Amino acid sequence: LAKTTQPISMDSYEGQEVNITCSHNNIATNDYITWYQQFPSQGPRFIIQGYKTKVTNEVASLFIPADRKSSTLSLPRVSLSDTAVYYCLVGARGGYNKLIFGAGTRLAVHP
Amino acid sequence: EAGVTQSPTHLIKTRGQQATLRCSPISGHTSVYWYQQALGLGLQFLLWYDEGEERNRGNFPPRFSGRQFPNYSSELNVNALELEDSALYLCASSLMGQDPTYTEAFFGQGTRLTVV
Repeated sequence: LAKTTQPISMDSYEGQEVNITCSHNNIATNDYITWYQQFPSQGPRFIIQGYKTKVTNEVASLFIPADRKSSTLSLPRVSLSDTAVYYCLVGARGGYNKLIFGAGTRLAVHP
Repeated sequence: EAGVTQSPTHLIKTRGQQATLRCSPISGHTSVYWYQQALGLGLQFLLWYDEGEERNRGNFPPRFSGRQFPNYSSELNVNALELEDSALYLCASSLMGQDPTYTEAFFGQGTRLTVV
């Protein structure tokens, strides 16, 4: 499985755009990139998944460059409720994805 | 539609006892994952079941075991409890086994196990 590296923590303020970058230099051809959000004492929640270029949903955008060795989760206009841990996962869709979580990025949004 | 449900929400056991945690996946999901999350730490992968079989196992001792029933619900058993087993145990389910093009996993709220 491809190893991922994210910043341990980030700080932001309400209304700002937050970009969290994940490095995955050993990503395989059939690997997808998935991001989860976790609030304290709750299970993680799926945010977004992509393979290449850009994916956007109602919550976030995911930017993946052509070499796919990194990806950036973009959260537009964050609020206090976006304070959470964000995990980047890399693995193949289907059968053998073990959903291995790294340490994640602890985002703190301040008033 | 009901999400992933875990029971009990809280469990207190003494060292050396056994704990049994239960998970009901979302209807139609065949894959169930178990994770351990100690306070303030990341999620450690424990077990993955699909279609009733153990598909993969994390780096945990054999006293952590489980099973998946024909209705796809699952049990996690922890024998000979140790103080460091105190953690939030999370269960997740997905369509992994049935739909190889989609791997979103849905998590339950967890069981908080405290070993005293």
